[in-house]
Amino acid sequence: DGGITQSPKYLFRKEGQNVTLSCEQNLNHDAMYWYRQDPGQGLRLIYYSQIVNDFQKGDIAEGYSVSREKKESFPLTVTSAQKNPTAFYLCASSMNWGGGTDTQYFGPGTRLTVL
Amino acid sequence: GESVGLHLPTLSVQEGDNSIINCAYSNSASDYFIWYKQESGKGPQFIIDIRSNMDKRQGQRVTVLLNKTVKHLSLQIAATQPGDSAVYFCAENSRKDPNAGGTSYGKLTFGQGTILTVHP
Repeated sequence: DGGITQSPKYLFRKEGQNVTLSCEQNLNHDAMYWYRQDPGQGLRLIYYSQIVNDFQKGDIAEGYSVSREKKESFPLTVTSAQKNPTAFYLCASSMNWGGGTDTQYFGPGTRLTVL
Repeated sequence: GESVGLHLPTLSVQEGDNSIINCAYSNSASDYFIWYKQESGKGPQFIIDIRSNMDKRQGQRVTVLLNKTVKHLSLQIAATQPGDSAVYFCAENSRKDPNAGGTSYGKLTFGQGTILTVHP
């Protein structure tokens, strides 16, 4: 898991609630990413941030929001607008964006379950 | 309700055998490829990468082969061990400049994954 931490490991949410998933890295990486993983499927990109104070929508951004106020932190909020939020959420970081050293390293994940 | 997901390819091998996991990609502009290993309930772990100016790269017990002609990538694991049991993902990245018409600059595209099971 390198220097990327995610918390909590398990999260339960009632329908209609917003929840925020934490992601912190001490690798001094510029770029950070959030992915969603559903059973038997690959990773789908939710949001990414190339550098602090900047972020872009990925392929499935609806119902999610992010912020990147600090280089080491990239929290993800799952809002009540997300129709099917139960999934395994993975945060990743890379040294920079598309600059030749863009191997992404992943955190341990947060499993979100909507009750 | 029941979620409808794709059935992942599976590979079952005996301990000590060599394993070969395959991945096809479609983007001819992809120029960087990574293999990840994901154990149950954990995040993907980097195994090995290869750039498009190479066709083979070796690591510890692992070899990645790249055939750009047929857009095919493979991961070979030598002397497979029970601890190698996991889901293996390939990922590709295109560094095509968006200013020149590229749209996936800097983003990784992941395959569906292959389940490797190693029997003692």
